[in-house]
Amino acid sequence: SYELTQSPSVSVSPGQTAKITCSGDALPKQFAYWYQQKPGQAPLLVMRKDTERPSGIPERFSGSSSGTTVTLTIGEVRAEDEADYYCLSADTSGVGRVFGGGTKLTVL
Amino acid sequence: EVQLVESGGGLVQPGGSLRLSCAVSGFTFRNYNMNWVRQAPGKGLEWISFISSSGYTTYYADPVRGRLTISRDNAKNSLFLQMNSLGDEDTAIYYCVREIQDASGPYSWFDSWGQGARVIISS
Repeated sequence: SYELTQSPSVSVSPGQTAKITCSGDALPKQFAYWYQQKPGQAPLLVMRKDTERPSGIPERFSGSSSGTTVTLTIGEVRAEDEADYYCLSADTSGVGRVFGGGTKLTVL
Repeated sequence: EVQLVESGGGLVQPGGSLRLSCAVSGFTFRNYNMNWVRQAPGKGLEWISFISSSGYTTYYADPVRGRLTISRDNAKNSLFLQMNSLGDEDTAIYYCVREIQDASGPYSWFDSWGQGARVIISS
């Protein structure tokens, strides 16, 4: 079955830049979407179609894509950004959906 | 305000059944495709099922195909998930999720989530 691969964890100090990656063979053909999930809360969309930031999401959040890897970049990281981040995309059939395993962002 | 409220979760014995419901408000339900996503304790998100706005088209993830059935009642603004032959691996929070279509192309994503219904499979 199709998989999206994320690093389990990323740690940065406040004010630094965090990069969270997601890799998958179908990503050159399918957009990726990024969700932020804080403990006890439902996920929140923070990036759509690889690079589009939804309204209400700080400009510190940006997205990029290169080949089979998409990247969520959080600039000037704040304590409030500490959360689990998941990428989402369509599987190779284009019908089903697949989440990456998630990346825990720790703000030191 | 868009609202999705799940109900029907609880403790079920292995092999048992459960039916989750999701009551929606704040948008025209019949115009949106819907999904169920689950999250096992301490684990990541897992998409499990899709239903088209009309209810005629459904898709399932491999781990649940044949055991879980998604359905909807557009007249009652409700989404359902019938779960049969439940096993330990089905213990999770189940989220009702709205899917939004991109106006500029055949793209869609999950834009609104309920708070989830907790399902525990245990003897």
